[in-house]
This record gives sequence, C-alpha cells and structure tokens, in this order.
Amino acid sequence: DAKTTQPTSMDCAEGRAANLPCNHSTISGNEYVYWYRQIHSQGPQYIIHGLKNNETNEMASLIITEDRKSSTLILPHATLRDTAVYYCIVSPPLLNFGNEKLTFGTGTRLTIIP
Amino acid sequence: GAGVSQSPRYKVAKRGQDVALRCDPISGHVSLFWYQQALGQGPEFLTYFQNEAQLDKSGLPSDRFFAERPEGSVSTLKIQRTQQEDSAVYLCASSDRDRRSYNEQFFGPGTRLTVL
Repeated sequence: DAKTTQPTSMDCAEGRAANLPCNHSTISGNEYVYWYRQIHSQGPQYIIHGLKNNETNEMASLIITEDRKSSTLILPHATLRDTAVYYCIVSPPLLNFGNEKLTFGTGTRLTIIP
Repeated sequence: GAGVSQSPRYKVAKRGQDVALRCDPISGHVSLFWYQQALGQGPEFLTYFQNEAQLDKSGLPSDRFFAERPEGSVSTLKIQRTQQEDSAVYLCASSDRDRRSYNEQFFGPGTRLTVL
C-alpha cells in the first residue's frame, strides 16, 4: 500500500474550517484515499473516502488533486468535538476478501481551540 | 443499534500470565479485524477473519498471539506468556464487507492491556 505523509499536529479555531493535508505521492491508479479519525479513548471512526473526484458527506469534504498525489480533508465548521487524531489511509479497491486491512500512519493531531 | 463491544476495557497482567480479550462485532458483520495500538502510534493490523475463517494472520507479532472466531461472530485474541512489550490498546473492528463496496470498518473502544 502507498505510504502517506501528514503533519504531526494542527490547531484550528472553533467555527472555522479545518483543512488537513495528506501526501500520497506513490498512490497507484486504483487505490482509494480514506480518512478515519480517532477521538481520545475511542476506536477509529470512518469519515470519508474518494478515488479521484472530490467527495462530500455530512461529516466532511475530501479534495483530491488532479494528479492524486495529495489530498485535503476539510471540516467546514470545526467544533470542540472534532478534536482528534486524523488518519489518511491509502487502500486498494475491495475486489476480493482478504485485502481490507487498513494501514494507519501516525496521523495528524487536530486540536480545536475555543 | 449496538456497535462493536470489547471486554475487558482494561486488563493488568503480570509478566508471564496468559490473557484473553473478547470482541463482539456488529451482528451480521462478516469481516472481523484485530489491531494493536502502541502509545502515540496508529493502529497496526494483527489478523483478519471472514466469518470463522482466519484469512490473514500476517500481523501477529509472535506465536504467543492467537486469535479465533469459532462460530463466525464473537472473537477472542489470546496472548500467552505476556511480555512488557505487549502493553498496548487492542482494537477490534468489523465490517459488512459483503454488502459494501468501500472499506468502512467499525471499531470497538479497545482493551488497554498493561503488562507489569
């Protein structure tokens, strides 16, 4: 699986948009970009995923560059409950059973400032 | 509905003791995963089940680690002769892989194991 690079930590003011970058320069053509987050003392939680188009759901937006070598997760109006470690993960398509293990890095620790 | 549950939430073991960690996945989920998370690190894959079949155990760090899912639902991760380096949070996740086209895994809260 392709390796990802994320900043170690970021701060964001409450109510502002939080933009979390991720580099995945070795991503293969059929690999997806996933974002999970882990709030303190909880297990990781799926946020969003994408292949090449920008994606939006009720939690966040995902912007993937045209060359697919980097992406940005956007939390449009950050709240204190968004304080967590955010993981950017590259994963192959679910073609066969057995290839779904997730490879987490160390993620970005996002702190929302009141 | 009920999410993934794990028990115990906390376990303290003396070095050399055997421990058993339990995972109750979301009902009907075919896929079940175990991950190990050391302090300050991201989770690392240990093993994967599809129903009762263990399809991937490449992440198990040694033969002291053993996982089972005999009836395709509840799973147990067993660690024999625990060592201090086994201290970590053990996370279980499940997914309805057979009904989903993307890799959304549902994680439990984890079991924090401390080996003294």
